[in-house]
Amino acid sequence: DGGITQSPKYLFRKEGQNVTLSCEQNLNHDAMYWYRQDPGQGLRLIYYSQIVNDFQKGDIAEGYSVSREKKESFPLTVTSAQKNPTAFYLCASSFPGLAGSIEQFFGPGTRLTVL
Amino acid sequence: AQSVTQLDSQVPVFEEAPVELRCNYSSSVSVYLFWYVQYPNQGLQLLLKYLSGSTLVKGINGFEAEFNKSQTSFHLRKPSVHISDTAEYFCAVSETDSWGKFQFGAGTQVVVTP
Repeated sequence: DGGITQSPKYLFRKEGQNVTLSCEQNLNHDAMYWYRQDPGQGLRLIYYSQIVNDFQKGDIAEGYSVSREKKESFPLTVTSAQKNPTAFYLCASSFPGLAGSIEQFFGPGTRLTVL
Repeated sequence: AQSVTQLDSQVPVFEEAPVELRCNYSSSVSVYLFWYVQYPNQGLQLLLKYLSGSTLVKGINGFEAEFNKSQTSFHLRKPSVHISDTAEYFCAVSETDSWGKFQFGAGTQVVVTP
């Protein structure tokens, strides 16, 4: 089955530690995205990548980093510089170059809690 | 720059009653419009999308939405809700020249009671 997987589902980290969230897709999509979700604020874009080895900052990139070495993988690192990292993180992918198929497909999410 | 406003943060509704969720957007160029649903602790699932053509769009689970260009709105409706429709609903807009980048609204929580 095609889809997006995120791991782990729940993640706990101590203050001052970096942590990496995994996102893998087997949809052959070119574009991938990371969002942060907080109650009452909807989804805010952290980083996005339109092709392999290229990515751009979204609206709230400070304290986060990403890489896109493979088409199917787009890991997100939450660094110790992120002031308030406790949130629900969603990964998505899309094929924006295909007419009629621009929608984003979402993974199940990772809930990060800083202790 | 594009923006999306969902006018209601929470909508309580009785089972089998109709529901309307309101969404307005702002953009200086043509847009694509979407509605997604999110159940607790899950990812988002696409309900429907407007790309072009007919302004009345039908989606999954009996939902439909109408694109109104003059009012820059894309309201979501369902004529009769079920308990299982309790979820959070997000409106999203993508400018046609943005190469797939989305802007999401803050979400509307729908609570269906018997």
